[in-house]
Amino acid sequence: GESVGLHLPTLSVQEGDNSIINCAYSNSASDYFIWYKQESGKGPQFIIDIRSNMDKRQGQRVTVLLNKTVKHLSLQIAATQPGDSAVYFCAEIMEYGNKLVFGAGTILRVKS
Amino acid sequence: EPEVTQTPSHQVTQMGQEVILRCVPISNHLYFYWYRQILGQKVEFLVSFYNNEISEKSEIFDDQFSVERPDGSNFTLKIRSTKLEDSAMYFCASSEAFVGEQFFGPGTRLTVL
Repeated sequence: GESVGLHLPTLSVQEGDNSIINCAYSNSASDYFIWYKQESGKGPQFIIDIRSNMDKRQGQRVTVLLNKTVKHLSLQIAATQPGDSAVYFCAEIMEYGNKLVFGAGTILRVKS
Repeated sequence: EPEVTQTPSHQVTQMGQEVILRCVPISNHLYFYWYRQILGQKVEFLVSFYNNEISEKSEIFDDQFSVERPDGSNFTLKIRSTKLEDSAMYFCASSEAFVGEQFFGPGTRLTVL
């Protein structure tokens, strides 16, 4: 079946550097995407979302880019901080539905 | 800031026993969900609920699972006869809109022995 997947399971960055976390999705019918952050022992925490009629959306220190041509989603974190260390999941919602389909997750480690 | 709450934080049970996991969604939200996450794996959708009815359920959500909104604030997930493979973190979520940000609770860790 179609699913969301991630290229890199672990990403290590130096504090202050920018981080880019990537996600490939295969379902062309998806029209809403969310990035979640999950810290150890906690539930997923919303970071930013984007709808399929957009290709870029910015938040505070975070930017999500959507490339529908190649079915690729990325999360950019500017000036990465130790508190950004967590597992990051992309998730998609297909057209006409509202269930989240999660990717496998990327571990972000920030080195001080 | 409003948040989704879940109880208990950890539930240990014997195989074959019934468990009820409880959630209090955000008060003005209309759409409710249960997800689960087996250790080290991705979060998986179980069921969505709206207007006192199941909207959608996954293949995981078989006859052993049920959901209920017994009053205006609680949302429960019942597993009638637990199996070892039901051991996982169970997350409740709620959203204000049909498609939009889903707010997750802290989860209940279910351990089936």
